[in-house]
Order: sequence, then structure tokens, then C-alpha cells
Amino acid sequence: DAGVTQSPTHLIKTRGQQVTLRCSPKSGHDTVSWYQQALGQGPQFIFQYYEEEERQRGNFPDRFSGHQFPNYSSELNVNALLLGDSALYLCASSLGGSYGARDYEQYFGPGTRLTVT
Amino acid sequence: KQEVTQIPAALSVPEGENLVLNCSFTDSAIYNLQWFRQDPGKGLTSLLLIQSSQREQTSGRLNASLDKSSGRSTLYIAASQPGDSATYLCAVESDNYGQNFVFGPGTRLSVLP
Repeated sequence: DAGVTQSPTHLIKTRGQQVTLRCSPKSGHDTVSWYQQALGQGPQFIFQYYEEEERQRGNFPDRFSGHQFPNYSSELNVNALLLGDSALYLCASSLGGSYGARDYEQYFGPGTRLTVT
Repeated sequence: KQEVTQIPAALSVPEGENLVLNCSFTDSAIYNLQWFRQDPGKGLTSLLLIQSSQREQTSGRLNASLDKSSGRSTLYIAASQPGDSATYLCAVESDNYGQNFVFGPGTRLSVLP
């Protein structure tokens, strides 16, 4: 049973560039959430995708955008990169739907380490 | 706005000790609480999930309790081992804020041989 996978593992970009990170959810899961974790801090919620739509969004600027594909995999795009975007980007998958039907537990991938120079 | 804090920020103990990690949250209307472990530079590994209707969960040497009314959860680790060294994070999912988790800053644990 494949867990959550993310690619690439590491990425180095220059300020102003654009980046795309990818995530494949755990088998059977249909909901993908993205988090940003700065060094020494807890993860911060970016947004969540369910049924190919952004269901909820955290306090991140519009430079952060995403997409979910029919196979439930997801992409996170960040435009006009800033030095402050350097972080570990984590993807989590879960089984969505109404609260009563949900598998509440979130499963995390290994993350993508983004460095902006 | 839901806020999650964890005490202590860091902890160093000799091998074999029993220890308690604390997590506090400001809004008691939570849907569930999950404890994670994170090794340096790695992703998060789920340890225990406590749903709002539950008071505690156990897995091996780990026991997590939840007191919604006081906004607290504790993670108890019995007979600690050097392999337990990691950062431990708690996260709450709130009824009022949708399906995302709000994380605490974590407790960095070092278990000395």
C-alpha cells in the first residue's frame, strides 16, 4: 500500500522564479492538504483540495496556487519566489467528504525542501 | 482563531525515564487531535489520533489523553529510548475552522543513552 509521495525531494530556486511541487496521496484517499514548515516551527496550512477544487485556504498570498487532478494527485505552485518561501513543503492526504463520513487521520509525505537564493 | 502551544519547547532525559509532553489549545470546539513525530528534515509520522468523543488513545509505549474542556492534551512516553529522540508535534482540527490542522511548534526531545 503506497503512502503519500512527494517530488522532488530537494529544490533550489532563485528569487522571482516559479516552482511546482507534486504530491500523490495515499491509496484510497481523495483529499490533499499542503503545509509550509519553516525551520524550527510547526507546519502552517496553505490550502486543501477535494474533488478537484480548493476547499479551504490558509493565510497565504495568491502567489501560492494549486491543482488537484482526477486521480487525486495534486500540485502546489509558487510564483515570484521570495527568500522567505524557503521551507519544507509537506503534503498530507486524508479521506474527505462530509464530517460524518471522513477518515479523520491525515497521512504526511516526506516533504520537499525548497531553498530560494 | 485557534492557537496551539506546546510545553516544554525542548527536553533532554536519560534513557529509561517516563516523560510527559503537553499540548494546549485555545478553542475547545475541536473535532480531533493528532500527535506526530518528526525526525530532522523529514516528514511527519502519525503517532496517535484522538477523536473529540474520546478521552485517550494508546499505542505501545505511548499514551495520549485529551481534555477538551480545559483545552489540553498530554502525550506520555514510557521507558524512553534513544530512538524516541525527535520533535513531537500536536495538531488540532477545529469544528470552526474547517478540515485543516492547526499545529503547535513542537517539543524537541533528546533521549540520552
